[in-house]
Amino acid sequence: DAGVTQSPTHLIKTRGQHVTLRCSPISGHKSVSWYQQVLGQGPQFIFQYYEKEERGRGNFPDRFSARQFPNYSSELNVNALLLGDSALYLCASSFDPADRGIGYTFGSGTRLTVV
Amino acid sequence: AQSVTQLGSHVSVSEGALVLLRCNYSSSVPPYLFWYVQYPNQGLQLLLKYTSAATLVKGINGFEAEFKKSETSFHLTKPSAHMSDAAEYFCAVSDFSGTYKYIFGTGTRLKVLA
Repeated sequence: DAGVTQSPTHLIKTRGQHVTLRCSPISGHKSVSWYQQVLGQGPQFIFQYYEKEERGRGNFPDRFSARQFPNYSSELNVNALLLGDSALYLCASSFDPADRGIGYTFGSGTRLTVV
Repeated sequence: AQSVTQLGSHVSVSEGALVLLRCNYSSSVPPYLFWYVQYPNQGLQLLLKYTSAATLVKGINGFEAEFKKSETSFHLTKPSAHMSDAAEYFCAVSDFSGTYKYIFGTGTRLKVLA
């Protein structure tokens, strides 16, 4: 079975540009969460979606947005990129986030560099 | 609100020596705790989890962790370090808000010396 798939793996963008990151969860999983991991730090929660509805949002500006599609894949969009948005963006997949004992499965991430 | 603190951003051990990575948590309710490992240029891999069952939790690759409520700790151990254990390790607690998001520590980079 395929794990959590993220694309692209690496991306270089210029300040002010827009970026779209994609995530496909494990087959059968209905929830996707997005995390930002800045170099040298732990992942920080950005968004969580379950059954195509936003369940929660972390402390990120409105430049960050996301959505989940009927097939449960998800996109993370970031507008007006800043240098500080350079990070590894991780997608986490779960069947139901309320089943807290399972543990999320993470993808390998998208490394975004803003220049 | 839940939080975790990882003491020691860098830990070095000799191959074959005991590995001890420290994690302390703060939670007003019984926590769900996790340890993840991250190899260079990769995502996070779940090592083990505590979900209020047994206090001694065994995970993959010979790692284990003990939940100690009196010390609010969930330290990760491995009896004998292997070169392949060199990686960054993150402790996380599951938030009790509606999102059930994970709150991660700042990580501990483990270096294994030959």
